[in-house]
Amino acid sequence: EVQVEESGGGLVQPGRSLRLSCAASGFRFDDYAMHWVRQAPGKGLEWVSTINWNSGDIAYAGSVEGRFTISRDNAKNSVYLQMNSLTAEDTALYYCTRFNYEIEAFDYWGQGTLVTVSS
Amino acid sequence: DIQMTQSPSSLSASVGDRVTITCRASQSISTYLNWYQQKPGKAPRLLIYATSNLQSGVPSRFTGSGSGTDFTLTISSLQPQDFATYYCQQSYSPASWTFGQGTKVEVK
Repeated sequence: EVQVEESGGGLVQPGRSLRLSCAASGFRFDDYAMHWVRQAPGKGLEWVSTINWNSGDIAYAGSVEGRFTISRDNAKNSVYLQMNSLTAEDTALYYCTRFNYEIEAFDYWGQGTLVTVSS
Repeated sequence: DIQMTQSPSSLSASVGDRVTITCRASQSISTYLNWYQQKPGKAPRLLIYATSNLQSGVPSRFTGSGSGTDFTLTISSLQPQDFATYYCQQSYSPASWTFGQGTKVEVK
């Protein structure tokens, strides 16, 4: 059974940093790109970042470029999101999701981890 | 970036109704269009990929169509468990996946 589980969210002050983790299981992790998608309270889905299977292809949304860094450890079946210089606009539920190249869609999602940026 | 615009933003419907949601891309995305369903407090769930292909386990009352810039999601006979928010998402543009703003389907 495919499972994706995020962790690391919490309350953080503006300007500070936070690192999210995503642990995956039930599939060959290094066959898939992984993405982060976020959802601000009461709002829609916003794509944040992607990393391909060997970390050779990485991309970010303009809203986080230069502040967030995505990485992965295939030996640990995990992907990470280092978030620096956080602002209130980064407050959201952060989802980790698997991208299935065969169907070009996000086919498995975690339940999300909540990041709240507030003083 | 490719912009995705859904309409309506919300709709009210009754069980048994036929419901149609539209999604328009700011440029042609061929058939690289996916639909997700999200219920309150839950993660999104993939319903349809590549415009018209049902994800495993998704009931056949859900259908998708379109190509280029205009796409539709249709629920042929709305069921109680279908009240949710629906999002379209394009996978055409590499390194810039975008979602529509969502359509909330509410009880009439």
